[in-house]
Amino acid sequence: DTGVSQNPRHKITKRGQNVTFRCDPISEHNRLYWYRQTLGQGPEFLTYFQNEAQLEKSRLLSDRFSAERPKGSFSTLEIQRTEQGDSAMYLCASSFDGEDGYTFGSGTRLTVV
Amino acid sequence: GQQVMQIPQYQHVQEGEDFTTYCNSSTTLSNIQWYKQRPGGHPVFLIQLVKSGEVKKQKRLTFQFGEAKKNSSLHITATQTTDVGTYFCAGLSNNFNKFYFGSGTKLNVKP
Repeated sequence: DTGVSQNPRHKITKRGQNVTFRCDPISEHNRLYWYRQTLGQGPEFLTYFQNEAQLEKSRLLSDRFSAERPKGSFSTLEIQRTEQGDSAMYLCASSFDGEDGYTFGSGTRLTVV
Repeated sequence: GQQVMQIPQYQHVQEGEDFTTYCNSSTTLSNIQWYKQRPGGHPVFLIQLVKSGEVKKQKRLTFQFGEAKKNSSLHITATQTTDVGTYFCAGLSNNFNKFYFGSGTKLNVKP
């Protein structure tokens, strides 16, 4: 297992387009988290899954954002009708039952032009 | 909502000097974690503190959890250029199932 994998590494999109990111967590980890990070800030919680169930979604997440983890393994994060304010690094992390530390992926850097 | 604040925002030190970053929470925390993010990298887990007043050491790094479990600190002795990066604390309160990150302290070490 090579850790948490995220694709793509970079995404440039025009405002109004839809984008989808993928995260493959560590296989033994049942929890998967999505965070967003902008320059000079700490990671900001978006949502998390325990197995295939989405247990919590941040109030900061508008209805343009949706996340899935259909089989309790990989997860996708979709942003519809992107806006310039969506430009950020989107980080995925996984853990086992929320104990111990999170293992983060390298992130997907989104630029909306 | 839960807030985790870190100070200072930036710290520039000469190699060999010590460094400390502080983390304060508006609510009592169940756990606190510390992460390091190198420039251009992603956060990497360093340590977790759970008990009131807990102190843990990793080589030149010393982590403390306050008695009231509302604050924490990370101290680096005799910094090296490899310590460069941003250090984040992340707090878990009793009512939540995910960690809230502070805004980080960016450490620059001049050789």
